[in-house]
Amino acid sequence: KNEVEQSPQNLTAQEGEFITINCSYSVGISALHWLQQHPGGGIVSLFMLSSGKKKHGRLIATINIQEKHSSLHITASHPRDSAVYICAAPLSTGNQFYFGTGTSLTVIP
Amino acid sequence: DAGITQSPRHKVTETGTPVTLRCHQTENHRYMYWYRQDPGHGLRLIHYSYGVKDTDKGEVSDGYSVSRSKTEDFLLTLESATSSQTSVYFCASGAEIYEQYFGPGTRLTVT
Repeated sequence: KNEVEQSPQNLTAQEGEFITINCSYSVGISALHWLQQHPGGGIVSLFMLSSGKKKHGRLIATINIQEKHSSLHITASHPRDSAVYICAAPLSTGNQFYFGTGTSLTVIP
Repeated sequence: DAGITQSPRHKVTETGTPVTLRCHQTENHRYMYWYRQDPGHGLRLIHYSYGVKDTDKGEVSDGYSVSRSKTEDFLLTLESATSSQTSVYFCASGAEIYEQYFGPGTRLTVT
């Protein structure tokens, strides 16, 4: 069993749609990361959050520590949002990160 | 973005040869990490460092060693490369223990 599970694995949306990607984890953590990876590209950290909600432009991330669940929302999706989105959970001890296998998002014009 | 570079960006090597990958950061970050990324497995931690000469093993450390003699450099060595070590390698660094700024990646092919 993976310590971090993401759903869905693949997602195709029409431009303008509201998108939700989910992440559930089984380990004890103090914070959770959402990462973005474009095809053939590097990895960018979008959010690090330990409670509540964070917003950056059209991206919103929420976390419920008690339920061990986080969501990444994209409002008014755009083709440039097409990428793999990865959630990562560092253990509370800080010496280990567990990563989901990613959600591949394709936004069609 | 944090100034993190990796070298080389691409490498093809033969089974049994030693390989060293370099991660260089200009942010004076205390923490540095090496990951590998494989289809179906996602990112997995190989080794990490929490200061000069302070390193520890991650989830998939067998066959790899690391060294950190300066704050800015974190080297990953494959002592005797095997085909199972064909992968994309990412390093990351952070000033705080939960920060993660990633380098551009190194694509390694072991033939």
